[in-house]
Amino acid sequence: SQQGEEDPQALSIQEGENATMNCSYKTSINNLQWYRQNSGRGLVHLILIRSNEREKHSGRLRVTLDTSKKSSSLLITASRAADTASYFCATGRASGTYKYIFGTGTRLKVLA
Amino acid sequence: GAVVSQHPSWVICKSGTSVKIECRSLDFQATTMFWYRQFPKQSLMLMATSNEGSKATYEQGVEKDKFLINHASLTLSTLTVTSAHPEDSSFYICSAGTLLNNEQFFGPGTRLTVL
Repeated sequence: SQQGEEDPQALSIQEGENATMNCSYKTSINNLQWYRQNSGRGLVHLILIRSNEREKHSGRLRVTLDTSKKSSSLLITASRAADTASYFCATGRASGTYKYIFGTGTRLKVLA
Repeated sequence: GAVVSQHPSWVICKSGTSVKIECRSLDFQATTMFWYRQFPKQSLMLMATSNEGSKATYEQGVEKDKFLINHASLTLSTLTVTSAHPEDSSFYICSAGTLLNNEQFFGPGTRLTVL
């Protein structure tokens, strides 16, 4: 089964509002990445946060990581219609086989 | 830096034929490459992990004889879908990483349509 579970599965907001997506995972991780995927297109890397980091920013994006709760959140501030996409978290495990497992994804729709 | 390319970006083939997809790390040497499959409106599912010069490790439920993976060099891995059928139609994405820092970089994906 997939390691990451994301919620909400779908989110619809008005342009200008903030969008928050959450990712929960089950085992210890080395790092966690967030990706965006426009419909039918490839993945766009957004942010990587390591297990010893708690928060990272990139432009309008803010990612937090709480390893004690095994969860991460992605906040998009002042959303735009162009932010409409699916967002996935991917977790890299701390031990065992080195591989990334993707979450179920959140489909974000930003209404103009 | 850390650019991964895939070729082709899309392919249409007839049922029963084989299709090869290439994944290249353009500006770094990838000790490990991963292949994912994504069906419409679903998440990415890891198919297999390949290390340069060794056999790929397949995830449970993935047929290794159907999805042949070759990782002949530190910059190239190939996925061959043998005897493709319509149910193999999907979006195939590779990623490349190094053991140095456990980071992965993803290719843009290949859309396979089997008629």
